[in-house]
Amino acid sequence: EPEVTQTPSHQVTQMGQEVILRCVPISNHLYFYWYRQILGQKVEFLVSFYNNEISEKSEIFDDQFSVERPDGSNFTLKIRSTKLEDSAMYFCASNLDRPKAFFGQGTRLTVV
Amino acid sequence: QKEVEQNSGPLSVPEGAIASLNCTYSDRVSQSFFWYRQYSGKSPELIMSIYSNGDKEDGRFTAQLNKASQYVSLLIRDSQPSDSATYLCAVNDLYSGGGADGLTFGKGTHLIIQP
Repeated sequence: EPEVTQTPSHQVTQMGQEVILRCVPISNHLYFYWYRQILGQKVEFLVSFYNNEISEKSEIFDDQFSVERPDGSNFTLKIRSTKLEDSAMYFCASNLDRPKAFFGQGTRLTVV
Repeated sequence: QKEVEQNSGPLSVPEGAIASLNCTYSDRVSQSFFWYRQYSGKSPELIMSIYSNGDKEDGRFTAQLNKASQYVSLLIRDSQPSDSATYLCAVNDLYSGGGADGLTFGKGTHLIIQP
């Protein structure tokens, strides 16, 4: 069964550094998303992406964040100048039929 | 501000019984409703979606929606120990015309199935 894949599974970075989280959505899907989940808290929507542009973003998705689909298969989330409070699980999701979302296994980001 | 409320639990149910999970939402324009299952340390897994008032059944799972009461529930029949997980309710208003893509999640209900 096709699945969304994310790399790396765990990323440790120093505060102030930039990180790029990578995702390969399911191949025929058209809509792509990033969500995050701080430990013990609820899953929060960050951004949606369609037709090579952001279609919606939440208040969390400020200028520190950016997304890109550089080559037609990968979908990346860049976090500039990471902060301690950016530590969370980051989930990529995709779908062909909105608004349901199929999630990848996640990247655990730890900012130290 | 959209809110999705769930009892955090834990909800303990004997094996073979029916587990009943509930969710309320604040935004009346919400149109799409989802139940996700999340095992500890894992990603959310979509198990049910429902868009119209009434019941929708899929195997041992039944989702129930009452838009007038802003209430959605999930029933799990013949509960198994493998059903022990956190169940997340999520809503979206995409079909209201110009609605948002992103799902709004509740904090989840921790379900324990006792063997």
